[in-house]
Amino acid sequence: DAGVIQSPRHEVTEMGQEVTLRCKPISGHNSLFWYRQTMMRGLELLIYFNNNVPIDDSGMPEDRFSAKMPNASFSTLKIQPSEPRDSAVYFCASSAPDSPLHFGNGTRLTVT
Amino acid sequence: GEDVEQSLFLSVREGDSSVINCTYTDSSSTYLYWYKQEPGAGLQLLTYIFSNMDMKQDQRLTVLLNKKDKHLSLRIADTQTGDSAIYFCAEGYGGATNKLIFGTGTLLAVQP
Repeated sequence: DAGVIQSPRHEVTEMGQEVTLRCKPISGHNSLFWYRQTMMRGLELLIYFNNNVPIDDSGMPEDRFSAKMPNASFSTLKIQPSEPRDSAVYFCASSAPDSPLHFGNGTRLTVT
Repeated sequence: GEDVEQSLFLSVREGDSSVINCTYTDSSSTYLYWYKQEPGAGLQLLTYIFSNMDMKQDQRLTVLLNKKDKHLSLRIADTQTGDSAIYFCAEGYGGATNKLIFGTGTLLAVQP
């Protein structure tokens, strides 16, 4: 299995632009998680889905952030408009029931 | 509430044992995990323990769980320079969606 695949690996954008991060979970996994990692706040759970349905989005920092999972093999995290404080590494992870999370290699976002 | 804490930094000499500690607050967690993060990479699952176990050994890794004190530790025997990384403990609740709450991470530096 190829593991959890995230794209792009790096994204540099200007403040005010829209940013879309993409994730392909491991085939057969029914849960998908978006995390954000920064030096100041560590790993924060933003949102997670079960069977493509958002279960808990209480970690999403603001309305500028949105996430979708249109099917079992694809999810997006969108930031519109982006701000410099959104700069972080964004991780996607997936899991099967009662199983550990498997992480992608992350997208490093820099907003200037 | 959910809170997982770790010390920030540990330095050891190559060949020595490393012990990374973690405390958590929620006694209803079902599983406890250790993940490793190398620079520029995602989190890699190292090992995990079911909450009704006291100890688990896996090659050079030993996990000890003291459920009464809500304390988890990871011991790495014969630490190598390749073990230098950030180590995260996490608690999970199992079930259909295995949401994980991560600690702050411990940076392990192995001196040659």
